[in-house]
Amino acid sequence: GDSVTQMEGPVTLSEEAFLTINCTYTATGYPSLFWYVQYPGEGLQLLLKATKADDKGSNKGFEATYRKETTSFHLEKGSVQVSDSAVYFCALSDRGASGGSYIPTFGRGTSLIVHP
Amino acid sequence: NAGVTQTPKFRVLKTGQSMTLLCAQDMNHEYMYWYRQDPGMGLRLIHYSVGEGTTAKGEVPDGYNVSRLKKQNFLLGLESAAPSQTSVYFCASSFGFINSPLHFGNGTRLTVT
Repeated sequence: GDSVTQMEGPVTLSEEAFLTINCTYTATGYPSLFWYVQYPGEGLQLLLKATKADDKGSNKGFEATYRKETTSFHLEKGSVQVSDSAVYFCALSDRGASGGSYIPTFGRGTSLIVHP
Repeated sequence: NAGVTQTPKFRVLKTGQSMTLLCAQDMNHEYMYWYRQDPGMGLRLIHYSVGEGTTAKGEVPDGYNVSRLKKQNFLLGLESAAPSQTSVYFCASSFGFINSPLHFGNGTRLTVT
């Protein structure tokens, strides 16, 4: 079945450092890929998405490129801020082997802590 | 435009008690989902619905029931709460296409003593 693997956290960085959170996936079909962010005490919210190979999703200084050849969708940001401290989830949407509904598959989440 | 609204925000139950969590969305989404989030476990899908009047089991459905009588509402019921059901519960909705993102509520924190 489909699966998403994210790097274990927490990731701890100083402000203005470069961020990479790795995400790899396995999918039966040709999935759409997503990154969600969860701030403390809130639900997840969409950060960015990409729907086909070589697409780059971007939002709020974060970027991720859909790499079909390496089945990866790594999240990057050039200069993190304290306000970026949150949990980040990689996810995919695929019809799956059964050809049924598009039910998302989530990674386990990576906690990011940014110190001043 | 409220998005996805969950009620209640917090609840404490004793073992064996029952309760219903309500989720409402105002985005005319077809798909609705219930997840639970536990430390180190990520999000786990409990039940989902692909349209009014439909429900389906997710990854961890045991001990829960759901109903989708109206398109905008998705109810999650616990008939006899157990301490293992202590968790944060999230409702989400989407249009159900392959590129449709999920929209989440802010969660219900449930403690079962």
